[in-house]
Amino acid sequence: AQSVTQLGSHVSVSEGALVLLRCNYSSSVPPYLFWYVQYPNQGLQLLLKYTTGATLVKGINGFEAEFKKSETSFHLTKPSAHMSDAAEYFCAVSSGTYKYIFGTGTRLKVLA
Amino acid sequence: GAGVSQSPSNKVTEKGKDVELRCDPISGHTALYWYRQRLGQGLEFLIYFQGNSAPDKSGLPSDRFSAERTGESVSTLTIQRTQQEDSAVYLCASSPGLAGTLTDTQYFGPGTRLTVL
Repeated sequence: AQSVTQLGSHVSVSEGALVLLRCNYSSSVPPYLFWYVQYPNQGLQLLLKYTTGATLVKGINGFEAEFKKSETSFHLTKPSAHMSDAAEYFCAVSSGTYKYIFGTGTRLKVLA
Repeated sequence: GAGVSQSPSNKVTEKGKDVELRCDPISGHTALYWYRQRLGQGLEFLIYFQGNSAPDKSGLPSDRFSAERTGESVSTLTIQRTQQEDSAVYLCASSPGLAGTLTDTQYFGPGTRLTVL
């Protein structure tokens, strides 16, 4: 069975500060990992994904995430927060099939 | 190009009534998915379509829930005799359907917010 835990349902950062959203997973098979972002009244948009290969994955809007097998983590980071980054972020894991297991989401607030 | 669309965006209904939620996937996408998102919870997988058939209905919570897809396009999720616990956001996603490969990114619609009074 697979599961995802996102630590912190709400995270606040100042504009220009580092963004760090935490995601830990559990999987009995090599995981495939995803981060999605959801802006108000919009669908989920894929930020980045890890399948195989390089463990540091770069996505859209300056976000990146690093797959750390030893820590079972896939934390999302961005060096400098922008007001437009305010949204809800979801981490998801898959065993390589269509069935994604999502975390409960982290709502990011960016303070001016 | 056009993304995944869902209608209605909001639906308020009385307990015991039936509701139909509609999803229009991205044109040409053969795979379609329904998820449910309850307040404060992650997305729950409900059902997966490949073309017009549903090889995986394992996430449907009860026999009050059903879904169909016609013409490898529009899908309808129907909830009969709605209950208050059915209140949630129902999200639809589609993907090209490349034999279930991981390059087959799922694209999500904006969801339908269902409130059962």
